[in-house]
Amino acid sequence: SQQGEEDPQALSIQEGENATMNCSYKTSINNLQWYRQNSGRGLVHLILIRSNEREKHSGRLRVTLDTSKKSSSLLITASRAADTASYFCATYSGGGADGLTFGKGTHLIIQP
Amino acid sequence: KAGVTQTPRYLIKTRGQQVTLSCSPISGHRSVSWYQQTPGQGLQFLFEYFSETQRNKGNFPGRFSGRQFSNSRSEMNVSTLELGDSALYLCASSLAGASYGNTIYFGEGSWLTVV
Repeated sequence: SQQGEEDPQALSIQEGENATMNCSYKTSINNLQWYRQNSGRGLVHLILIRSNEREKHSGRLRVTLDTSKKSSSLLITASRAADTASYFCATYSGGGADGLTFGKGTHLIIQP
Repeated sequence: KAGVTQTPRYLIKTRGQQVTLSCSPISGHRSVSWYQQTPGQGLQFLFEYFSETQRNKGNFPGRFSGRQFSNSRSEMNVSTLELGDSALYLCASSLAGASYGNTIYFGEGSWLTVV
């Protein structure tokens, strides 16, 4: 079952602009991870944020987590054509039952 | 260090056959998990192995099975293939698993087409 829901489903912006994607989830989580997937390829890990963290940065990426709203956002600053990909959030809720639960992803297109 | 390696990358099988996919995790990682990705269902958890034992299992029929060897390498097997099994199968590795808050690293996947 899908726990996370990314929003928007698709996003098209100009190169150099910032891109923001959101992820909402349903149950309490231990951590949330963001991944990038280029067409037909595997998942590339971007950032892991734990439930007791509110914000993390990695290069041009910034992730926030609001556990009270059960939501997270991924901001990519100064976008580049190479950022064109699908982005997924994945949550782990604990209990050991289900592994990571993924949303359906946001497809990001960077126009040159 | 080398990432998660999956073989084969692409394969075509006939309905009713069986298939075995292989995964070599990152060196030192003991948790290996498998996911299926399809356009309709998205990414779904199949199962996780840790120290040669299946620790968690998703909601898939018994035709889907796996195992892990003493060197942490893992294989998954799908028997009696159905058209709906056509998917990208992704292997993921981590030090001890998602339950320990570990970063989960994925391989490039194995594209299975069932005809």
